[in-house]
Amino acid sequence: TQLLEQSPQFLSIQEGENLTVYCNSSSVFSSLQWYRQEPGEGPVLLVTVVTGGEVKKLKRLTFQFGDARKDSSLHITAAQPGDTGLYLCAAVNAGGTSYGKLTFGQGTILTVHP
Amino acid sequence: NAGVTQTPKFQVLKTGQSMTLQCAQDMNHNSMYWYRQDPGMGLRLIYYSASEGTTDKGEVPNGYNVSRLNKREFSLRLESAAPSQTSVYFCASSAAGGGWNEQFFGPGTRLTVL
Repeated sequence: TQLLEQSPQFLSIQEGENLTVYCNSSSVFSSLQWYRQEPGEGPVLLVTVVTGGEVKKLKRLTFQFGDARKDSSLHITAAQPGDTGLYLCAAVNAGGTSYGKLTFGQGTILTVHP
Repeated sequence: NAGVTQTPKFQVLKTGQSMTLQCAQDMNHNSMYWYRQDPGMGLRLIYYSASEGTTDKGEVPNGYNVSRLNKREFSLRLESAAPSQTSVYFCASSAAGGGWNEQFFGPGTRLTVL
C-alpha cells in the first residue's frame, strides 16, 4: 500500500485569503481524488484527476495533478467560511493486489474565519 | 434516492461485547467498503466487497468480520469489542473498482468502546 502525505494538517485563515493543500507520494497513481468532509458527515467527492498535468476547476477550487502522477494540489481562491471542513486526498492504487483500492491522506482541517 | 445509509448512528459498548454495523446502498453499485477514521490518520480500509458474493481484507481487518448479504447490503461485525476499536466507521460504495473507483460514503457510525 502506497503512503500518501498530505500537508498542512491544519490551516486557519481569514475570509478572502488564498490557500493550497498538497498531497504527495513516491508512487504513481492511477488517479487521485479530493473529498470534503463536514463534521458529523461522511466524505463527499469533489473531483477526480486522471491525466498527468491535468487541471480541473470547481468554482473557486483548482485541482492539479502532477506531471508524473505522484502528487496533487488543491488551491482555494478567496476562501469563505463555508469552505471550512476536512479535505482529504485519496489515491487510486495503480496495480498489484491493491489495484483500484483507495489510500487516503491524513487530511487537512481548514478553518476560515469571517 | 437515499444513497448510502448506516445504522446505528451512535453506539457505546463495553469491552468484550459484540455488535453489527449495518450498511445499505440504493445506487445499484457492485463494490462496497468499510473504513474506520481516527484523528490524524485519514480513513483506513477494513474490508471490502468487490462484488456480491466476495469479500477481502483491507489494511486493518483484525477484530472485524463482514458479510455481503446481497448487492445492497454489507455489514461489519465486531465479535469482541476492544477500546482500540473506538472510532468512526464509514461504509462506502462504488459502481466498480479499477482506475476511477469514485466512492460514495454513508454518514458514519460513531462507536465508543469502554
